[in-house]
Amino acid sequence: EVQLLESGGGLVQPGGSLRLSCVASGFTFSNYPMSWVRQAPGKALEWVSIMSGSGGSTYYVDSVRGRFTVSRDNSKNTLYVQMDSLRAEDTAIYYCAKGGGSAWGPDWFDLWGQGTLVTVSS
Amino acid sequence: DIQMTQSPLSVSASVGDRVTITCRASQGISSWLAWYQQKPGQVLKLLIYDASRLQGGVPTRFSGNGSGTDFTLTISSLQPEDIATYYCQQAVSFPLTFGGGTKVEIK
Repeated sequence: EVQLLESGGGLVQPGGSLRLSCVASGFTFSNYPMSWVRQAPGKALEWVSIMSGSGGSTYYVDSVRGRFTVSRDNSKNTLYVQMDSLRAEDTAIYYCAKGGGSAWGPDWFDLWGQGTLVTVSS
Repeated sequence: DIQMTQSPLSVSASVGDRVTITCRASQGISSWLAWYQQKPGQVLKLLIYDASRLQGGVPTRFSGNGSGTDFTLTISSLQPEDIATYYCQQAVSFPLTFGGGTKVEIK
């Protein structure tokens, strides 16, 4: 079955760290750029970061650049995001999403995970 | 950054009605636009890409139109299962950006 499954969310104090994982199945993971997209409670979707299929290229939204680090292990079909120096405004459901095409660059997302909730609070 | 503005914020219509949602980009994005459907408790779903191409498996009552800065998503005959929030997204440049969402309800 073609799917993405996120894990690793939870409650963390401001200034703390958390690492999220996204395991892919049903497609050739290494062929596709993968993104993290988040959604604060009751709010719209916000794209966070992207990594190319090879892992050689990344891009981040300004609000997380320098605090979040995306990585992937193609041997494990897994995408990660290391989130450091977390703030209350990082509280959201975090989704991983598969790029619609295999080329590096801006794209839409043709497969989404169910999301994992990150709550930053003291 | 390219700002995406959706309208209306919400729409209430009867079963069988035609529903149109608008998305405006702050600068021209050619046809690099996608539409998504979000239902509570379900995985986000790609409906339309390249402004007007229907993703496989999506009912033909959904259609997309537009290019440049102005785009529409139309549901030709609203069904109870279409109750959801719909988002547009530009795919022309980083950072990728989404519209604020439009909630569709049954009257």
